[in-house]
Amino acid sequence: EAQVTQNPRYLITVTGKKLTVTCSQNMNHEYMSWYRQDPGLGLRQIYYSMNVEVTDKGDVPEGYKVSRKEKRNFPLILESPSPNQTSLYFCASSLLGSGTSGDTQYFGPGTRLTVL
Amino acid sequence: QQQVKQSPQSLIVQKGGISIINCAYENTAFDYFPWYQQFPGKGPALLIAIRPDVSEKKEGRFTISFNKSAKQFSLHIMDSQPGDSATYFCAASYFGNEKLTFGTGTRLTIIP
Repeated sequence: EAQVTQNPRYLITVTGKKLTVTCSQNMNHEYMSWYRQDPGLGLRQIYYSMNVEVTDKGDVPEGYKVSRKEKRNFPLILESPSPNQTSLYFCASSLLGSGTSGDTQYFGPGTRLTVL
Repeated sequence: QQQVKQSPQSLIVQKGGISIINCAYENTAFDYFPWYQQFPGKGPALLIAIRPDVSEKKEGRFTISFNKSAKQFSLHIMDSQPGDSATYFCAASYFGNEKLTFGTGTRLTIIP
């Protein structure tokens, strides 16, 4: 089944404790992206990657890191989480990205993160 | 700077009625306008999309109306059903920029 998977689905942590949220897709997609969803703010892009070893900042990159060492994986790293990073996080992937061809972005099921 | 403005924030419609969600954009370079549907506990999924060379696109009960001169587009759900209750996001992107810019979302509730 074609899908984007994220782990963990739920995470409660404390301020300053490094964490990683994993994202994997099995569709051989070039483009991957991380979003955070907050009430009243919609989906905001954190980071994206056009291909292996190519990453770039989205609209809200502060406090986050990403890496793309393999085509299928795109982990999101919070080196020192803070309470304002409490949010619902989504990973997404698409074949080439939305601009060039209007490719559909496929979203993972989400990770609900609470930072105390 | 919010480039895609979506309204209303929430909407309650009676079963069988028409649900209408509106979006307005600022960047005239945008040339791809999708709508995503999100059910509770799930990630958003593409519902329907339009390019500005047409003024309307219909797929079943879902229609996008597009007004290029007004820089507005809207989603119409005909014969709304309880199963349509979800959060809807409009979005936009343009050639050469791979990111999607999303609206703030509309929580739609269809009541019997």
